[in-house]
Formats: sequence, C-alpha cells, structure tokens
Amino acid sequence: AQKITQTQPGMFVQEKEAVTLDCTYDTSDQSYGLFWYKQPSSGEMIFLIYQGSYDEQNATEGRYSLNFQKARKSANLVISASQLGDSAMYFCAMREGFSGGYNKLIFGAGTRLAVHP
Amino acid sequence: GAVVSQHPSRVICKSGTSVKIECRSLDFQATTMFWYRQFPKQSLMLMATSNEGSKATYEQGVEKDKFLINHASLTLSTLTVTSAHPEDSSFYICSAEISSSYNSPLHFGNGTRLTVT
Repeated sequence: AQKITQTQPGMFVQEKEAVTLDCTYDTSDQSYGLFWYKQPSSGEMIFLIYQGSYDEQNATEGRYSLNFQKARKSANLVISASQLGDSAMYFCAMREGFSGGYNKLIFGAGTRLAVHP
Repeated sequence: GAVVSQHPSRVICKSGTSVKIECRSLDFQATTMFWYRQFPKQSLMLMATSNEGSKATYEQGVEKDKFLINHASLTLSTLTVTSAHPEDSSFYICSAEISSSYNSPLHFGNGTRLTVT
C-alpha cells in the first residue's frame, strides 16, 4: 500500500529566505506521480508541482522546486524567496500507476508553514 | 482551465437532517471524481471514488448508507450526508481528474464546511 510521510508538523521561515519541506514515500509500484498542494486557511487545495517516477530532472515551477531522490524515496519541496502569502498548510501526495482500481491520490499529514516578516 | 466548483461552501443543519453537496467540473469532463473529508488540523482522507455511470467505490470504514454518492453526469457528482449527526461535522472537499494517469494532478473544489447542531 502506498504511504506518504511528512515529519515536520510545523515550520517557520523568514521572509525572502528559502525553506525545504520534507516528504518521504513508500510504494512498490514503478510508475507513480508525486504532487505538492498548498492549502491556505480558506481551505482550497492549490496544485503546486509534480514529479514523475521516471523523470530524471527535478521539477521546477517558479519559486517551487522539487528535490527528488528516488533511491531514498524522498520528494522534498523547496520554496525559494519566501513570501508572507506562502504561509499555509502544505501537503505531499502520491498517485500510483496502478492500484487495482482507480488511481487514488493519497496525502501525507501535512506541514504548516509560517513565514515571518 | 480545470475549474471545479463545489456548493455550498458552508452549511449548518440540524441533527437528523440530510445535506447534499454538489461538485461540478466547469470546463472539462470528469469521468471520475473523488470525495475527501478533512478534520481540523488533519490531512485529507479519501472517502470514496465516484465514477460516472456506476456505483461509487468507498474506502474502508466509510459508511455507504451514510454518505450517498451519485455521479449523474460527466460534470456533476453529489455527496449526500444522510441523517447527519454532530460527529459528521467536518470539511468535505471534492476533486476531479482530467486524466486517470498517475502523472495527472487532481483538481479540487473549494470545499464545504458542514456543521451539524
């Protein structure tokens, strides 16, 4: 069964600094996708970045980058030049290539990021 | 693109009544939609997978008679919480997929905060 682990319940960072949010995963599937979502206090889920299991290069989207270390089964999110608006809950999630049914998106416990001025 | 609309955003109901939550994909067809539940300060837990034209697939431990799911068309799925009780108070959020592939993100509605008094 797939599993996502986020070990940092809370993180804080100074504005304009970079921060890394940790995520490790466990799967026996060779084909899978890793996703990061941001959830502000209003509740909506905002898709940030994706990394595929066969991708050799780390994904980047603007200030977001994903540090993908396949052998260690980690997919850490790096936010550069933090802004006050980055304060939110961040979830790491995974979809497996085949789960015997629908390709579910399973979430980790989340990390609450606070950006300080 | 990939907009998912969820209504209502907030609902308060009396214990014993039923509440219907709608999830619509506005600019794409979604054969499959997913319903999640989120308790305060916790992660998103998958409740069920809704597939157009067939019965929903429920996760272990989710009461199918309590949480009725109907996927009436390629753009609409509904979740009905029947005979609601205070313990059903939670944040319910739906999502839809453009592709069933593992490398395709889910697109989320803004969620419904249900309070049962």
